[in-house]
Amino acid sequence: DGGITQSPKYLFRKEGQNVTLSCEQNLNHDAMYWYRQDPGQGLRLIYYSQIVNDFQKGDIAEGYSVSREKKESFPLTVTSAQKNPTAFYLCASSINRGWESNQPQHFGDGTRLSIL
Amino acid sequence: EDQVTQSPEALRLQEGESSSLNCSYTVSGLRGLFWYRQDPGKGPEFLFTLYSAGEEKEKERLKATLTKKESFLHITAPKPEDSATYLCAVQANTGNQFYFGTGTSLTVIP
Repeated sequence: DGGITQSPKYLFRKEGQNVTLSCEQNLNHDAMYWYRQDPGQGLRLIYYSQIVNDFQKGDIAEGYSVSREKKESFPLTVTSAQKNPTAFYLCASSINRGWESNQPQHFGDGTRLSIL
Repeated sequence: EDQVTQSPEALRLQEGESSSLNCSYTVSGLRGLFWYRQDPGKGPEFLFTLYSAGEEKEKERLKATLTKKESFLHITAPKPEDSATYLCAVQANTGNQFYFGTGTSLTVIP
């Protein structure tokens, strides 16, 4: 079945530690996105990538980094510079080619990150 | 500035009591409006896409409609399994980003 796989489901970070969240998709989608979801707030965009080896900052990119070396994979690193990392992180993908650029995003089941 | 506002924040319905959720948007040229359902601890699940004013989409007890300024998600005779948070998102013609509202938390009581 095609879909988006996020791992791990739960992650704990110690002070000063960088952690990496995995996102893999087998939908053959061009675009991939990372969002952060906090209680009472909408999804906030961290980074997005429209093609391999290219990505753009979203509204809250500080303290995060990404890479897009393969079409299927878009890992997110939460660095020690992110002072309030506790949140639910969602990865999404969408078709982003020409006349199909108005297609919906599809989401993984998220990673919940907490501070130890 | 592109913006999405959903109301109400929370809604409690008796089973069978129909109602509507609202999504108001401000966007510089609408490329698409999207409705999602999100269960606790899960990622959003895609429900509908609407592209132009007057368009309607239906799926089981749900019906989504679109005007130039807002969208409604109508829930007819809801069941307890319809309890979830419903999210609305818009995509503008000017870019590839999606802008999300804060959602409506729906609880259907048996």
